[in-house]
Amino acid sequence: GAVVSQHPSWVICKSGTSVKIECRSLDFQATTMFWYRQFPKQSLMLMATSNEGSKATYEQGVEKDKFLINHASLTLSTLTVTSAHPEDSSFYICSARDASGPTDTQYFGPGTRLTVL
Amino acid sequence: EDQVTQSPEALRLQEGESSSLNCSYTVSGLRGLFWYRQDPGKGPEFLFTLYSAGEEKEKERLKATLTKKESFLHITAPKPEDSATYLCAASAGGGNKLTFGTGTQLKVEL
Repeated sequence: GAVVSQHPSWVICKSGTSVKIECRSLDFQATTMFWYRQFPKQSLMLMATSNEGSKATYEQGVEKDKFLINHASLTLSTLTVTSAHPEDSSFYICSARDASGPTDTQYFGPGTRLTVL
Repeated sequence: EDQVTQSPEALRLQEGESSSLNCSYTVSGLRGLFWYRQDPGKGPEFLFTLYSAGEEKEKERLKATLTKKESFLHITAPKPEDSATYLCAASAGGGNKLTFGTGTQLKVEL
């Protein structure tokens, strides 16, 4: 149980293009999903919290117009990196909180490696 | 400000050599203390949630414990497949956010 998928697992794009990453909770409903970014040999950096049916809450320093987040259903959240540039290259990981569970436990997806040329 | 600190940063063990990883936390109103395992190029894999001081949880060769200031992840007779980065995180207050430590990179050698 508690499986989270991400698609794609890796993507290479040209500078200036937009990239969409999907995050799905496969066997549970997630009212809250989270998007993280991870640089090599560093821990996870929370970018934003996504609540189903409402606007995402972004962490300080994260550009909401650049990283568009949509949480349209209880099992799907998307992150769109708009007008991507090489400095946006990173490992993006989503997580989902099981709405039916008693805890704050977040279950993570496998991550998406984005490379911007 | 909530803080989570893990030590050591890196640990090298021989197969069968038991040890412990430390996670110290300073948060206001701990709701839960979480341990994850992360392999290179993959997302974190959930291991344990601890809620209150004195609580212990076990899974195979791993046992997590919690005090009012820190948590330990004990690894008994580790195997090479236990090699990974172990992340500790805390949730506190009224929000759902996790504050992560920087992790302990564990390598178990034959």
